Amino acid sequence: AQSVAQPEDQVNVAEGNPLTVKCTYSVSGNPYLFWYVQYPNRGLQFLLKYITGDNLVKGSYGFEAEFNKSQTSFHLKKPSALVSDSALYFCAVRDPMDSSYKLIFGSGTRLLVRP
Amino acid sequence: GAGVSQTPSNKVTEKGKYVELRCDPISGHTALYWYRQSLGQGPEFLIYFQGTGAADDSGLPNDRFFAVRPEGSVSTLKIQRTERGDSAMYLCASSAQTGASGNTIYFGEGSWLTVV
Repeated sequence: AQSVAQPEDQVNVAEGNPLTVKCTYSVSGNPYLFWYVQYPNRGLQFLLKYITGDNLVKGSYGFEAEFNKSQTSFHLKKPSALVSDSALYFCAVRDPMDSSYKLIFGSGTRLLVRP
Repeated sequence: GAGVSQTPSNKVTEKGKYVELRCDPISGHTALYWYRQSLGQGPEFLIYFQGTGAADDSGLPNDRFFAVRPEGSVSTLKIQRTERGDSAMYLCASSAQTGASGNTIYFGEGSWLTVV
């Protein structure tokens, strides 16, 4: 069965510094991978996805993620963090063999960017 | 509409009561999903509709939970005999299911359910 692990409950970074939020996955075939962000008491907003092709994916708000098949990872990155990036981040995986195309989410990582 | 719309945004109900949560997906999206998110956790899949039919309901926790989508657009999640453990945010999402599994799923703002 597919699964996603986000090993860090919280990531702290100073504004202007680079940030990384980690995600590893387990799926039987080639995965489709997604990142979403959630602000307090709000729904999930789509950031970016990896389907195929270039391992480095660029998304909204200056975020990017790198797909690494050998390490089964899809870490979220941003070169220069903003205080407004503080939120809850979720990694999700979809098994392309699953006919419902549902996403399986990790437990989330809280990002705190301090001024 | 421009995005996925969910009502009510907040619902407080007494234990044992019946609750309905409504979802209006993005116009033209044939795929609709319900997820449940408990405090401090990631969203958990409940049910998936393709058109009017529930194609995958493997995530429904028990027979108190039921969802419908009679005309292939608006969906209603129904919870009978609510329990305090049902308290969570219920998220609805939709996608343009054209057979390409790389489609993005877009979420609504959620319905917070509190059972007292």
